[in-house]
Amino acid sequence: GAVVSQHPSRVICKSGTSVKIECRSLDFQATTMFWYRQFPKQSLMLMATSNEGSKATYEQGVEKDKFLINHASLTLSTLTVTSAHPEDSSFYICSARGATNQPQHFGDGTRLSIL
Amino acid sequence: SQQGEEDPQALSIQEGENATMNCSYKTSINNLQWYRQNSGRGLVHLILIRSNEREKHSGRLRVTLDTSKKSSSLLITASRAADTASYFCATDGGGSNYKLTFGKGTLLTVNP
Repeated sequence: GAVVSQHPSRVICKSGTSVKIECRSLDFQATTMFWYRQFPKQSLMLMATSNEGSKATYEQGVEKDKFLINHASLTLSTLTVTSAHPEDSSFYICSARGATNQPQHFGDGTRLSIL
Repeated sequence: SQQGEEDPQALSIQEGENATMNCSYKTSINNLQWYRQNSGRGLVHLILIRSNEREKHSGRLRVTLDTSKKSSSLLITASRAADTASYFCATDGGGSNYKLTFGKGTLLTVNP
């Protein structure tokens, strides 16, 4: 149980393009979803926390206008990287959690490469 | 800043041996979790230990928690080549969102 699907797994696009990444909880309702960024051989850095039906809470230093997060339902959250540039190239991972005090379950990540 | 710090940063062992990884943290926690990440993939949840627990087992995994020392250890017994991965500890301080703070991870290589 507790499967989280993240799509797409890999994106390669030109600078200036906006890219949308989807995160779905397949067999449970996710009241909270999290978006992380991971640089090579480094740990996960939390970008933002989203609760269904409310605005996302962004971590310090993360541009909310650059990384748009929508959590419209209990099973879907999206991250849109707007006007992406090469420095936005990274591995983005989402996670979802049902009830509080329960483990977060992670998607398989999206490798974003901006040329 | 990173809450959790794992050591060692890298560990290489032979199949069948035990692997021990340690994690230290700085502030009070509600839960501590261990995750595994295969190269280029997402994280797989291994085990959650609550702040009032001292030890937990799951199959070949054994996790201990010492809140007085602010440290945890993950023991993998009878390791297999398939255990090769990065292992992260993550802590949360409770609160409404239970945000996780990850350590830098230990890269475990199990040689066949």
